[in-house]
Amino acid sequence: DAKTTQPPSMDCAEGRAANLPCNHSTISGNEYVYWYRQIHSQGPQYIIHGLKNNETNEMASLIITEDRKSSTLILPHATLRDTAVYYCIVRGGMDSSYKLIFGSGTRLLVRP
Amino acid sequence: NAGVTQTPKFQVLKTGQSMTLQCAQDMNHEYMSWYRQDPGMGLRLIHYSVGAGITDQGEVPNGYNVSRSTTEDFPLRLLSAAPSQTSVYFCASSTPGQGAGGYTFGSGTRLTVV
Repeated sequence: DAKTTQPPSMDCAEGRAANLPCNHSTISGNEYVYWYRQIHSQGPQYIIHGLKNNETNEMASLIITEDRKSSTLILPHATLRDTAVYYCIVRGGMDSSYKLIFGSGTRLLVRP
Repeated sequence: NAGVTQTPKFQVLKTGQSMTLQCAQDMNHEYMSWYRQDPGMGLRLIHYSVGAGITDQGEVPNGYNVSRSTTEDFPLRLLSAAPSQTSVYFCASSTPGQGAGGYTFGSGTRLTVV
């Protein structure tokens, strides 16, 4: 599975967009990029995933660069409830697509 | 739908005791996994299963056993509890396939071994 690199922490002001970067320079052609978040000590929550096209859902947008070596999760209007640890994960190819391996993530603090 | 249900929510064990953490899902998911999360750390994969009767080891399998006799249940057994196994344990389930969306996680079992 490709490894990911994320900044350990970020902050943004409430109501502003939060842009969380992720580097996955060793990603292979059949690997998806997944984003999860963990609020305090709750179980992780799935946010969004994509292969090569940009994706949007009710929670966030995912922008993947054309070479697929990096991506950005965008929370368009961050609220205090978005304070959490955000994990960018590259889910493996067909031999290991069931495994989800977590890194250390980005701790996002949304300031009032 | 209840989603992924973990029991118990809290447990204190003495060193050397054994116990089983229960995990059940009602979404007919084929994939199930167990993770542990130590204080201030990320999640580490213990064991996983791609279907009934099939299990495999993750990143940190030592000291734990699993079995998958049904699609719904994936219990995690601690054979002889040690203080190093003090952690929060999360169970998760998913459908097969890369594009099928993400894993659904349970709310966790907080285990303390004294």
